[in-house]
Amino acid sequence: GAGVSQSPSNKVTEKGKDVELRCDPISGHTALYWYRQSLGQGLEFLIYFQGNSAPDKSGLPSDRFSAERTGGSVSTLTIQRTQQEDSAVYLCASSLGTSGIEQYFGPGTRLTVT
Amino acid sequence: SQQGEEDPQALSIQEGENATMNCSYKTSINNLQWYRQNSGRGLVHLILIRSNEREKHSGRLRVTLDTSKKSSSLLITASRAADTASYFCATHTNAGKSTFGDGTTLTVKP
Repeated sequence: GAGVSQSPSNKVTEKGKDVELRCDPISGHTALYWYRQSLGQGLEFLIYFQGNSAPDKSGLPSDRFSAERTGGSVSTLTIQRTQQEDSAVYLCASSLGTSGIEQYFGPGTRLTVT
Repeated sequence: SQQGEEDPQALSIQEGENATMNCSYKTSINNLQWYRQNSGRGLVHLILIRSNEREKHSGRLRVTLDTSKKSSSLLITASRAADTASYFCATHTNAGKSTFGDGTTLTVKP
C-alpha cells in the first residue's frame, strides 16, 4: 500500500501570507505526528493526534500554528501570517498506535517564506 | 532543548570501519528508536529497543540501552558508502509523545 504522502512538496510564500500543508497518513494508522526540521537540525515536535483523543499541541511554537485531523485520517497544518523563521521542512509521520510504535514518515514539505 | 542528544554531531570514517553514535536523554522512556535520514527528507525507522532491553541487533546494526545512564548507542559494523546519512535517536513516552535529537551526520568514504 501507499506510504505517508504530503503536499505540496515545496511551497514558497511571502511573509504575512497563510499556508496550509497536507498530510495523508497510511490507512489504518491511528496516530499522526507533525514535526519541523530546520536546515541541518533535528526534528522539532509540533503536534500529535491519537484516534479521537484531544491532540497534544504542546510543541506548537505560537498561536499562528494550528492543525486539524478530519475523520481520523487526513491532517492539515496551517500557519497564519507566516514569518521568515517559519522556513523549514515540515514532516508528517503516522503509526499504528501509541507507546512509540514505529513511525512512518512522509517526504516532507519544504516551506520557504520570502 | 531536545530530550535526545546525539554525539558526535558529525563522524567521518573509511568504508569497512565501524561507526558508533551515542544518544543521551533526560526523562523516563517507554522505548528508544533510531532513524536514518537521507537528503534532508523523510526518516526511515532502523531499530527499536524497549526500556527493559539492554541490547538489540538487526543485520549490521547493534543498539544498546543503559536506562541507568539514560543513554543509547548505535553501532554500524563494516560500514559502506551507502550508509552515509544522518542518524537520529528518538525517545518515546507511555503517553505516545516522541522526541528526536539533533542527529549525527555520518560520512563513509569509499
